Amino acid sequence: DTEVTQTPKHLVMGMTNKKSLKCEQHMGHRAMYWYKQKAKKPPELMFVYSYEKLSINESVPSRFSPECPNSSLLNLHLHALQPEDSALYLCASSLTWDGNGQPQHFGDGTRLSIL
Amino acid sequence: QKEVEQDPGPLSVPEGAIVSLNCTYSNSAFQYFMWYRQYSRKGPELLMYTYSSGNKEDGRFTAQVDKSSKYISLFIRDSQPSDSATYLCAVNYGGATNKLIFGTGTLLAVQP
Repeated sequence: DTEVTQTPKHLVMGMTNKKSLKCEQHMGHRAMYWYKQKAKKPPELMFVYSYEKLSINESVPSRFSPECPNSSLLNLHLHALQPEDSALYLCASSLTWDGNGQPQHFGDGTRLSIL
Repeated sequence: QKEVEQDPGPLSVPEGAIVSLNCTYSNSAFQYFMWYRQYSRKGPELLMYTYSSGNKEDGRFTAQVDKSSKYISLFIRDSQPSDSATYLCAVNYGGATNKLIFGTGTLLAVQP
């Protein structure tokens, strides 16, 4: 079992739906990340939160909206997604964002399918 | 040129074999080196983390970093069917950000 918990594990939604992905960690980490992973590809960074503030947005379309309500929680709000957005969405955390190569710890992801 | 190149595989070995997984990187500024294991339908799991040249051992796993050649390796001794997974190398500059640069991954199958 990982120390980064993601819910739901699977999500099927239509292109007009609004849904949210949730991520939780209780390791005291102050950096949290969203990644997108397509089949047979490495994870691609989407967003980074550092001390609950958005630090990095890797030019992600606005139909993906991240939120960090507190130091343990990270959400990804989804709206009007496209079929090409179907992928595994991974959350990760690390002690900090700003220095000394802190290892990132991943959750098991939410497998998202867009109909 | 990609920042990190990884032998793509797939790799198939018999149980008990020694497995060697390899990556090269282009920028000598990378300071931190990681290996992740990813089972099908799971997230990447941190296997090894190192920040210096040399070897680091953890059970059947040995991570090797050669900064002069910009080459990183993961060796698995006495491989088991449970080692069948995709292995991802990752590098990090350290310093101002904690951004990971991943290799493309190597799919390993250990045959019983």
